[in-house]
Amino acid sequence: AQSVTQPDIHITVSEGASLELRCNYSYGATPYLFWYVQSPGQGLQLLLKYFSGDTLVQGIKGFEAEFKRSQSSFNLRKPSVHWSDAAEYFCAVGANSGGYQKVTFGIGTKLQVIP
Amino acid sequence: GAGVSQSPSNKVTEKGKDVELRCDPISGHTALYWYRQRLGQGLEFLIYFQGNSAPDKSGLPSDRFSAERTGESVSTLTIQRTQQEDSAVYLCASSSARFSGEQYFGPGTRLTVT
Repeated sequence: AQSVTQPDIHITVSEGASLELRCNYSYGATPYLFWYVQSPGQGLQLLLKYFSGDTLVQGIKGFEAEFKRSQSSFNLRKPSVHWSDAAEYFCAVGANSGGYQKVTFGIGTKLQVIP
Repeated sequence: GAGVSQSPSNKVTEKGKDVELRCDPISGHTALYWYRQRLGQGLEFLIYFQGNSAPDKSGLPSDRFSAERTGESVSTLTIQRTQQEDSAVYLCASSSARFSGEQYFGPGTRLTVT
């Protein structure tokens, strides 16, 4: 069974600083990887996804993530954080199971942005 | 177009009562998922529906939990004899493809059991 680890529960960054949120996964085959964002009072929204091909994927809101097979990682990055990026971020891994893709989510990283 | 909607947005119930949560997926989405999100925790998979196929109920935590979906439309999640540990946000998501894994989430139903 697949699993996802997000080692940082809370992260605080200054507005304008760069951001990297860590995600490690466990899965025997090539994974499908996702990052979702949950803003306060809102549902989860897909930021970006990796299925195959280029290991650096671009998402919405200026985010990107890099798949590193050797490290079993899929870290999320943004070069300059905006106050509106304060939210909770979930990494997820998808695996084909029983005829569909079952997605397992990490516990989330809560991002605080300070002026 | 309209996104995934859930109702009610908030529900407060007494321990021992039954509750029913509703999810309206995006039109045309064949896959529907229910998750539970306890305070400070990640998303816990509950159940998956895909068209008219048998649902994957492997995540339902007890027989007090059940869910139904008719075809590719509305789904209801029912919790019988609610307990305080059932307090959580219940999220519904839908997806257009069997293997895409890309899910569109509703805003959730916050359930509080007193």
